[in-house]
Amino acid sequence: DAGVIQSPRHEVTEMGQEVTLRCKPISGHNSLFWYRQTMMRGLELLIYFNNNVPIDDSGMPEDRFSAKMPNASFSTLKIQPSEPRDSAVYFCASSLERGDTEAFFGQGTRLTVV
Amino acid sequence: KQEVTQIPAALSVPEGENLVLNCSFTDSAIYNLQWFRQDPGKGLTSLLLIQSSQREQTSGRLNASLDKSSGRSTLYIAASQPGDSATYLCAVRGSQTDSWGKLQFGAGTQVVVTP
Repeated sequence: DAGVIQSPRHEVTEMGQEVTLRCKPISGHNSLFWYRQTMMRGLELLIYFNNNVPIDDSGMPEDRFSAKMPNASFSTLKIQPSEPRDSAVYFCASSLERGDTEAFFGQGTRLTVV
Repeated sequence: KQEVTQIPAALSVPEGENLVLNCSFTDSAIYNLQWFRQDPGKGLTSLLLIQSSQREQTSGRLNASLDKSSGRSTLYIAASQPGDSATYLCAVRGSQTDSWGKLQFGAGTQVVVTP
């Protein structure tokens, strides 16, 4: 398996624009996590899905952020409108639904909002 | 609410010394604990996974222990090498209803191994 695939790897956008980050989990994995990493706050869990259903979105910072998982092989994280403080590295991770299994991370998307 | 703490925040050792990295967590209702490595500008690489029922897990020069009742895990890296320089993160996976399945991270320990 190619692992967790995220796109794009880098995104530079202007304040106010819509940004969409994409994630393809490992085939067969049915838990998916979105994280944001910054120097100040470390790794923050934004939202996670089990079997395409959002289980906990308490980490989503505000209504400008939304996430979807229309099927088992694809998820998106959207920011609309984007702000400079959204600049961070966004990671996607996946695992089997069973709690005792290993989680695997993608390479991340580095977002810069200018 | 689960809190995960890693001490120290940074560590510098000469090549050949053993590394000891600590991770503590406040809620013992966990499925497992996972150690990751992150190189600058890169993603997270899984190193070891310890199930809640296990006390120890080993892979090559790496050994991780888990004391669930006291909320602690330690990662040992034997005979450190410059290539071990990276940030090491621990994460716990919750098993309680309000934290079920959540993977929560500590802030990491930044390690530098000098030649």
